Parts: sequence; structure tokens; C-alpha cells
Amino acid sequence: QSALTQPASVSGSPGQSVTISCTGTSSDIGTYNLVSWYQYHPGNAPKVLIYGGTKRPSGVSDRFTTSKSGNTAYLTISGLQSEDEGDYLCCSYGGRSTMIFGGGTKLTVL
Amino acid sequence: EVQVVESGGGLVQPGRSLRLSCIGSGFAFDDYAMHWVRQVPGKGLEWVAGLGWDGRHIGYADSVEGRFTVSRDNGKNSLSLQMNSLRAEDTALYYCAKDTTVGRYGEGFDMWGQGTMVTVSS
Repeated sequence: QSALTQPASVSGSPGQSVTISCTGTSSDIGTYNLVSWYQYHPGNAPKVLIYGGTKRPSGVSDRFTTSKSGNTAYLTISGLQSEDEGDYLCCSYGGRSTMIFGGGTKLTVL
Repeated sequence: EVQVVESGGGLVQPGRSLRLSCIGSGFAFDDYAMHWVRQVPGKGLEWVAGLGWDGRHIGYADSVEGRFTVSRDNGKNSLSLQMNSLRAEDTALYYCAKDTTVGRYGEGFDMWGQGTMVTVSS
């Protein structure tokens, strides 16, 4: 169970789009469409943005969209806003009832 | 109010045991898988263990397999984590987290507690 790989940081200007990648293996992301994404501010509980690969909870903006290619999942945030700044975390089902987190990506809105 | 509340953390010597508990309220506890996730201060999140609503799904991180045991009592809306043979590297803030989807396992986490701190040190 190796941690999923995320870029340490990404940045974008207000109104732009940014994409955060989350790379796993053929045993997790490559096999299961069960990636979840979280917005995370240290000291607070993570907020789920996407779950079950493609599902968006009520109340989460449709500016947050996901895609997947092979062993990598992507979170795209469009129409970047200042309140989007923070840490973003991915997680995947890893088979055998296990889950795997990514290391997190810090988003800076310029 | 939907919430989960952890308890049971503390200071424990290496090699000893500790039992964490989590009580869920405001939702149908027996309909959801539940998980334990930990965070070493200043580091990222690590999934520790998960248990399906009916016990069919049960999984552990490699780092705790054979030492930790997750269990639940749906009648008491409770989830437990029995931690044996504790090591210094188990020192972390332990969160209880609710799975997102009724009757499913591993789709994500939509409710987290405040966490309970476990410190393993002599």
C-alpha cells in the first residue's frame, strides 16, 4: 500500500482552471473507479468534494469536476476563486477493503 | 446533528495496548461502513482500518495488520479500534470517519470526528 502521488503544489489566477493529479497503480485507481477528493484546511475535518469516483455531494459547486486516465485521477477546479485556496487530498479504494490517501496538494490562488 | 465522537486516546508505553472508541449519532449507524484514519502531527493522513456496515468488508493498512483490530456494535452505534503491540510510529491523532454511501464500502468519507490523540512513548 503505497501512498497515492499528488503534486506538492499548484497555483492559478482567479477565473482560471487548475487540475490536480493523483497517481496510483493498476491495483487501485487503475482497477476501481472509487476515488474521492477532499478540500482540507489543517485543523479542520476534510470536506468531501467528490466521492465514488464521480459523485458530487449536494452543496459542492459544479466547478469541481473529475476524470481518470489509466492509473491517474484528476480533479479540475474551474473558475478559480480565492476561497478555493487550501489543501486538496485524494483517496482511492485499494482492493481487499483497503483505502489509500495521497500526500496532498497545496493550491494557491494568485 | 450528524456527528462522530472519538475517545480513548492517551499516553502509552511501547508494546502496550490501547482501545479507541467512536460513537455515531444523527444517522443510521448500521447502514454505513466506518473507518479509522490517523495523522501524524505535521504529516499527511493515513487510512488505518475500515469495517463495513454488516462486517463483510474489513480491511487494515499494512502498517497495522496483525496488531490492530476494528470492530463495531451497531446496537450501541459504536466503532472500536483495539491497538496492541503499540510502536512509537503509531503516535498520531486518530479520526473516526463515516463512509459516504448507504450499504457501500470505500466510496469516501463524509463525516469526521475531532480525533483522539495517541502517544506511544516510554
